[in-house]
Amino acid sequence: EVQLVESGGGLVQPGGSLRLSCAASGFTFSSYWMHWVRQAPGKGLVWVSRINSDGSSTSYADSVKGRFTISRDNAKNTLYLQMNSLRAEDTAVYYCARRGDGVRAFDIWGQGTMVTVSS
Amino acid sequence: DIQMTQSPSSLSASVGDRVTITCRASQGISNYLAWYQQKPGKVPKLLIYAASTLQSGVPSRFSGSGSGTDFTLTISSLQPEDVATYYCQKYNSAPITFGQGTRLEIK
Repeated sequence: EVQLVESGGGLVQPGGSLRLSCAASGFTFSSYWMHWVRQAPGKGLVWVSRINSDGSSTSYADSVKGRFTISRDNAKNTLYLQMNSLRAEDTAVYYCARRGDGVRAFDIWGQGTMVTVSS
Repeated sequence: DIQMTQSPSSLSASVGDRVTITCRASQGISNYLAWYQQKPGKVPKLLIYAASTLQSGVPSRFSGSGSGTDFTLTISSLQPEDVATYYCQKYNSAPITFGQGTRLEIK
């Protein structure tokens, strides 16, 4: 079964750091571009970051540029999001998503992990 | 950056109704447009990509059209299980952008 499973969310104080992980299974992880998308409570979907299949190219939303770092370990079939200098407005469910091969839209999503930034 | 604007923001319709949601891009995006369905408390699900291609397993009552800047998602006969929020997304290049969502309810 094709699956993405996020972990690493939790409660963190403003200014703190957190690293999210997304474990992939059921497909050749190293062949796919991957994305992070977040959704604040009761709000819409917001794209955060993307990484190409071999990890050599990344992009970020302006709201997280310079604070978040996306990376991947293809040997471990795992995607990461390192989040530093966290702010209250970063509070959200964070989803990892696969860019489909040929489809190019996000065809597989994880179940999400909640990040709460609060003192 | 390209902005995606959906209308309406919310919609109430009866079972069996034909429902249309529109999405407008602030610049042309060819057909790099996807539609997602997110049911309450659930993960987003891809419905349509390339503006009009139905994702595998999605019921045929869903259809998409458009190119350039104007796009539509149509549900030909609304079913109770279609209650959800629907998002359009432009995905041709970063930054990826979603519309603000359209909440669909049953009247």
